[in-house]
Amino acid sequence: DAKTTQPTSMDCAEGRAANLPCNHSTISGNEYVYWYRQIHSQGPQYIIHGLKNNETNEMASLIITEDRKSSTLILPHATLRDTAVYYCIVRVTTTGNQFYFGTGTSLTVIP
Amino acid sequence: DAGVIQSPRHEVTEMGQEVTLRCKPISGHDYLFWYRQTMMRGLELLIYFNNNVPIDDSGMPEDRFSAKMPNASFSTLKIQPSEPRDSAVYFCASMYGTSYNEQFFGPGTRLTVL
Repeated sequence: DAKTTQPTSMDCAEGRAANLPCNHSTISGNEYVYWYRQIHSQGPQYIIHGLKNNETNEMASLIITEDRKSSTLILPHATLRDTAVYYCIVRVTTTGNQFYFGTGTSLTVIP
Repeated sequence: DAGVIQSPRHEVTEMGQEVTLRCKPISGHDYLFWYRQTMMRGLELLIYFNNNVPIDDSGMPEDRFSAKMPNASFSTLKIQPSEPRDSAVYFCASMYGTSYNEQFFGPGTRLTVL
């Protein structure tokens, strides 16, 4: 299974862009990169996913390097409500639809 | 849709007692997942079902844990007998398999075993 590595914690000033990195150097060609987040005491929430190309939706942007060994989740204008743990997940396509969540990055948005 | 529904939201029991956690997935979803979250181990996948059939239960910690999905709208996770180390938040999630593979999580059940 492809493994992901994320920083344990990060801070970001309110209104600024939050850039959350993720390393997945052993990712295989047919594996997608997914991002979820978990706000305190709630279940995880899907944010975005991608395969090769950069992706953008109403919540965030996902930048994947050309060699696909790393990616960055960008929250363009962080708010206090974005304070959460962010999980970078590589989907294991060969063994079904399960997701393996690591320990994630704890993002604190500072007023 | 009301989203994934879990019950109870909180459960406090004594060691040795049987505990049953319940989950109602989102209507039309064909995958259902059970996760456990603790401070020490983070979020762990316990088991998942596809069309009510268990596909992978390799994350189930031991024989004290069992999960069933008798129909498309209901699943249970049972612990018998419970132990203090089972104390955790248990999440249920559902997904429509041919979509973007977005899992929808329930609010979780906080289990405390004394």
